[in-house]
Amino acid sequence: DQQVKQNSPSLSVQEGRISILNCDYTNSMFDYFLWYKKYPAEGPTFLISISSIKDKNEDGRFTVFLNKSAKHLSLHIVPSQPGDSAVYFCAASGLGGSQGNLIFGKGTKLSVKP
Amino acid sequence: DAGVTQSPTHLIKTRGQQVTLRCSPKSGHDTVSWYQQALGQGPQFIFQYYEEEERQRGNFPDRFSGHQFPNYSSELNVNALLLGDSALYLCASSLNLEENIQYFGAGTRLSVL
Repeated sequence: DQQVKQNSPSLSVQEGRISILNCDYTNSMFDYFLWYKKYPAEGPTFLISISSIKDKNEDGRFTVFLNKSAKHLSLHIVPSQPGDSAVYFCAASGLGGSQGNLIFGKGTKLSVKP
Repeated sequence: DAGVTQSPTHLIKTRGQQVTLRCSPKSGHDTVSWYQQALGQGPQFIFQYYEEEERQRGNFPDRFSGHQFPNYSSELNVNALLLGDSALYLCASSLNLEENIQYFGAGTRLSVL
């Protein structure tokens, strides 16, 4: 059973608009969440993260929101640019006090159209 | 500053063979994790190495084994290859065992025929 779920396989957004990528998790013991971006033929690139003691973290055009009661997090990209087109993975860690075991969702493919 | 490097980039093997994949962590990092990414899936944790010891292990059979060397580089070995082992194998490194953020290499694409 998937512990981290990204229910939208794909998302298409116009350049300059906001992109919102969503992620749900089932285990309340997760204490750290990360977003990675992946281009074809490259490894995942770390984008932004958030600890479970916070509800928001911002880095430039990227903001991650965490709603612990709903076990939901989202990544906002504003404004979206064509170079943001990639697959975005949500990941969680912290089960059993371990940081090494990142549990990933299946990813959402973002297409930003000029 | 060199990032995580993996070799080879592509590999073709036949069922029953054995394979060794290699990884050099990002400069300054001492912890290495390995992941398997099947097509259309997210990466799945195989194991993590720190101080030359396996510290955590995911749900993978004993055919998957690893090693970490004194210079922090690492190897992933897979014995008795199955068709289902065909995947992208990713290596990730982190600053230390307590660090949540992991940095990934470009991966090794393994095809088992």
